[in-house]
Amino acid sequence: EVQLVESGGGLVKPGSSLKLSCVASGFTFSSYGMHWIRQAPKKGLEWIALIYYDSSNKYYADSVKGRFTISRDNSKNTLYLEMNSLRSEDTAMYYCAIGYGFDYWGQGVMVTVSS
Amino acid sequence: DIQMTQSPSFLSASVGDRVTINCKASQNINKYLNWYQQKLGEAPKRLIYNTNNLQTGIPSRFSGSGSGTDYTLTISSLQPEDFATYFCLQHNSFPYTFGAGTKLELK
Repeated sequence: EVQLVESGGGLVKPGSSLKLSCVASGFTFSSYGMHWIRQAPKKGLEWIALIYYDSSNKYYADSVKGRFTISRDNSKNTLYLEMNSLRSEDTAMYYCAIGYGFDYWGQGVMVTVSS
Repeated sequence: DIQMTQSPSFLSASVGDRVTINCKASQNINKYLNWYQQKLGEAPKRLIYNTNNLQTGIPSRFSGSGSGTDYTLTISSLQPEDFATYFCLQHNSFPYTFGAGTKLELK
């Protein structure tokens, strides 16, 4: 069974940093591209980043480019999202998803940016 | 960016009804359109990928169709477990974009 478990969220102040993790199981993690997606309260879903299976390519939404970094450790079956210079508008539930076609998603982790 | 206009935003229906949900893209997305179901507190679940391919394990009452800019999710006969929020996703070109969602409620 495919499982994706996000962690690392919490309440942080504007301007601070946070690193999210997504631990994967039930599939060959190193063979799949991975995404981060977020959903702000009462708002729609927003794709924010994609990393290829071998980390050879990374793509970002303009809203996070230069502030967020997607990475992965295939030896640990783990996807990461390093978030810097956080803003109130980054407050959202953050999801990871497997596969270029967003095959399976985790349940999400909440990030709240507030002073 | 490709805008995805999803309709309706809310849909009230009864068990056994046939319902359709639509997504219109602002430009051709070459059938790279997925449909998802999300229930409160749960991970989104992919129902249909690339317009009309049924995800393994998803009941056949769910189907998808479309091409170019216009796509449809159809549930042929609503079951009690189908009352949820549905959204579409285009993954044809960056940035990937989502429809705003359709909340399907029991009439």
